[in-house]
Amino acid sequence: QSVLTQPPSASGTPGQRVTISCSGSSSNIGSNYVYWYQQLPGTAPKLLIYRNNQRPSGVPDRFSGSKSGTSASLAISGLRSEDEADYYCASWNDSLSGRVFGGGTKLTVL
Amino acid sequence: QVQLQQWGAGLLKPSETLSLTCAVYGVSFSGYNWNWIRQPPGKGLEWIGEINHSGSANYNPSLNSRVIISLDTSKNQFSLKLSSVTAADTAVYYCAAEAGSISYWGQGALVTVSS
Repeated sequence: QSVLTQPPSASGTPGQRVTISCSGSSSNIGSNYVYWYQQLPGTAPKLLIYRNNQRPSGVPDRFSGSKSGTSASLAISGLRSEDEADYYCASWNDSLSGRVFGGGTKLTVL
Repeated sequence: QVQLQQWGAGLLKPSETLSLTCAVYGVSFSGYNWNWIRQPPGKGLEWIGEINHSGSANYNPSLNSRVIISLDTSKNQFSLKLSSVTAADTAVYYCAAEAGSISYWGQGALVTVSS
């Protein structure tokens, strides 16, 4: 069972806006940055959002991140078929002195 | 162009030691955290540990007693050793370098533990 909690699945139709939640605690999300990764089938994860809401160079502005208290969210607007992937949140956990990941959310574009 | 290329034994027997190396091309060790992350087949990501350019390491508490991550700056490599493996350690293992907006990952290596 993961320290950070994500819904196992999410779905949307092309053009829609989808959000994926990530719930943690005061030891992780509540006191540290949140990162989001996208993992396409058979490939290594790719950094999508860093420091809660910042996009690395090259990541489309359709992807946005937010954080409030001990929870965070990833929003994808203008959903496209190529967005179909697994999405993971991550944060540092102070009480474990280590990094923790969410269990992952499989996004399906209908 | 930055590349992380990893290698190591792909098939181990229970109780053996997993050993993986990640060669780094196109970037210096300074300023990055050098991570090992694994993913069991069909499951999510699990952080194994990290080391910085000074050699200071942090490990996942659930693996702490079995893990060693080391850095060899002369060879531009960092390595993972995981002792006393069991079937539960079967996974794709990734090396990754991260610093803020920068995130480089290796191609991943499947390690299977089976008698």
